[in-house]
This record gives sequence, structure tokens and C-alpha cells, in this order.
Amino acid sequence: GAGVSQTPSNKVTEKGKYVELRCDPISGHTALYWYRQSLGQGPEFLIYFQGTGAADDSGLPNDRFFAVRPEGSVSTLKIQRTERGDSAVYLCASSATLAGGNNEQFFGPGTRLTVL
Amino acid sequence: AQKVTQAQTEISVVEKEDVTLDCVYETRDTTYYLFWYKQPPSGELVFLIRRNSFDEQNEISGRYSWNFQKSTSSFNFTITASQVVDSAVYFCALSEALGGSTLGRLYFGRGTQLTVWP
Repeated sequence: GAGVSQTPSNKVTEKGKYVELRCDPISGHTALYWYRQSLGQGPEFLIYFQGTGAADDSGLPNDRFFAVRPEGSVSTLKIQRTERGDSAVYLCASSATLAGGNNEQFFGPGTRLTVL
Repeated sequence: AQKVTQAQTEISVVEKEDVTLDCVYETRDTTYYLFWYKQPPSGELVFLIRRNSFDEQNEISGRYSWNFQKSTSSFNFTITASQVVDSAVYFCALSEALGGSTLGRLYFGRGTQLTVWP
């Protein structure tokens, strides 16, 4: 497809479980971003990748959150021991260049995570 | 402190009215970028515009216009002759071009819910 895709679109899990959220960026985009959007709020930055490496993971709330991008394309956001407060929409975005911050980030539809 | 403030939580207008969405930002960088995104009920963020800190020219695109004023750290968005399809949440965002590891990340405001009534 032409845009950023995310799977699953919805994920319901129980407190304490492990979840993986997948992001497939636009082909050729080297930068990939994860954001989290709680109800009534703007997206909050979690982490971004330039290629395979995490260039900035300062937005990850704690060590239960981890993300990988092993081949520089698809990325997986992993959440261990989920808590009810993790419930949110997780957004992924990609951009063609990171130079100077002049990057138009294209967003995916998001994964709505609900922790019961 | 919030880097991007959108003081208007909700705005309601009647179709064909003009409406301005306010955005005030805060940064110590001299090079930065400002964005507006639209989030319709479907949830997907749609890019509307990007401006860099060195270009204060106002921009018009159809019914949309943007007013960037560095003196007041504002980047306001006006919709002229609003339509029902404009109903959405609108986010203003900031990207700082300098600052090491913060390069590229977007700081979003809390958004303004715009409802346009027929």
C-alpha cells in the first residue's frame, strides 16, 4: 500500500499481558516514529528510528516499553506487563528524511490498545 | 512546560462562518518547524502544512490560511467559509531542528475540536 499501515487496528488485552504492535512504514522512508495518543490529548512522542537504530527513545515511559526495527523497515512496539494506564491509541509515522527536522511525517491509522 | 498550546478546546460554528484556531508555541531554538494536522473522526492524522522559522510569509491554500508571527510565537490557522466536512480535531505541532536527540520529534498541542453545523 501507499501509506503507513499498522496492525492490529484494535487490541484488547488483560492487565499483565504482553503485547506487540506492528508498523509498516511507507516504502523507502528511513525515519520511523511512534507516538501515543490518550483520549482528548495530542499525540505524545515515544521513540524514533533512523534506519535500524533508535535515534531517540526518550519518550518511552518506562522499561516495560521497547521497540525494534531490525531491518530498517517494519517496526514493532512491545509492551510488557501491560497496565490499564497503557490504554491509548498508538500511532506510527514515517518520513523520508530527518535532515534539520524538515520532515513531513505521514501517520498510520493507529492501533487502539485497551487493557482490561 | 507545554511547548505547544492550543487554548481553544472546542469551537462550534455554523456552516459558512470563518473560524480561527489559535496556536502558541515555545522554543529556544532559532531553527524550528511548525505544523498543522487534521484528525477527522476516522482517527488518521492528515498533514496540512509545514512552515519553517525563517519564513514568516502567510500562506493561503484554498479556504485555509495560516498566520505565522514570530513576535508573538503564534501560528494560527483560519478556515474561511467553513463546511461540515471541516469538522475534526486540529493539532498544531512543533519540531525543533537543533538539540541533538530531539531532532525530528513532533511536540503536539492538545488539539482543538472544531464542529461545523449545517
